[in-house]
Amino acid sequence: GQQVMQIPQYQHVQEGEDFTTYCNSSTTLSNIQWYKQRPGGHPVFLIQLVKSGEVKKQKRLTFQFGEAKKNSSLHITATQTTDVGTYFCAGARGAQKLVFGQGTRLTINP
Amino acid sequence: GAGVSQSPRYKVAKRGQDVALRCDPISGHVSLFWYQQALGQGPEFLTYFQNEAQLDKSGLPSDRFFAERPEGSVSTLKIQRTQQEDSAVYLCASSSSLRPDTDTQYFGPGTRLTVL
Repeated sequence: GQQVMQIPQYQHVQEGEDFTTYCNSSTTLSNIQWYKQRPGGHPVFLIQLVKSGEVKKQKRLTFQFGEAKKNSSLHITATQTTDVGTYFCAGARGAQKLVFGQGTRLTINP
Repeated sequence: GAGVSQSPRYKVAKRGQDVALRCDPISGHVSLFWYQQALGQGPEFLTYFQNEAQLDKSGLPSDRFFAERPEGSVSTLKIQRTQQEDSAVYLCASSSSLRPDTDTQYFGPGTRLTVL
């Protein structure tokens, strides 16, 4: 079945450093969504990418969708302690359900 | 309410007991999902409702798991004869879209189930 893999599983950075998480699907996706889950919290929607090669920015966050629509990345510039949490990508193939990656847990040393 | 609510927030069950988990979606949201999230993992799809119709239950791990949404609003996930491997956080999400894979899903706080 469809699999969505994320790397790395964990990332620890110094505050102010950049952070990137990568998401790869075994199949072509119709769209990809990114969610953030704070420790002890629930997933919160960040963004959706639909078009091949799409790039979207939210302040210090940059999201990319690959040309083949099988991979995506989230890059955070100059991390802050408020960025702590687990970032999940979730891919869709037009079958109404999302397949989540296992997430990248970001911790930050202030 | 302003968001998706779930109850109870925590549930401890003895192995073999039945449990019922409740989800109150955002008012008016037609789509409702149940996910299971094991520790350190991403949410895994269990089942999907569009109004009262259960359109996809392919993620339910066994016939001990049953979900319903009889009036198209509140949903209940029931687990019969709980096993230790059922221990996880059960997340409910709702969406206003008939194509929720292309629209924002709003998650509830989850129910943490521990089976002893």
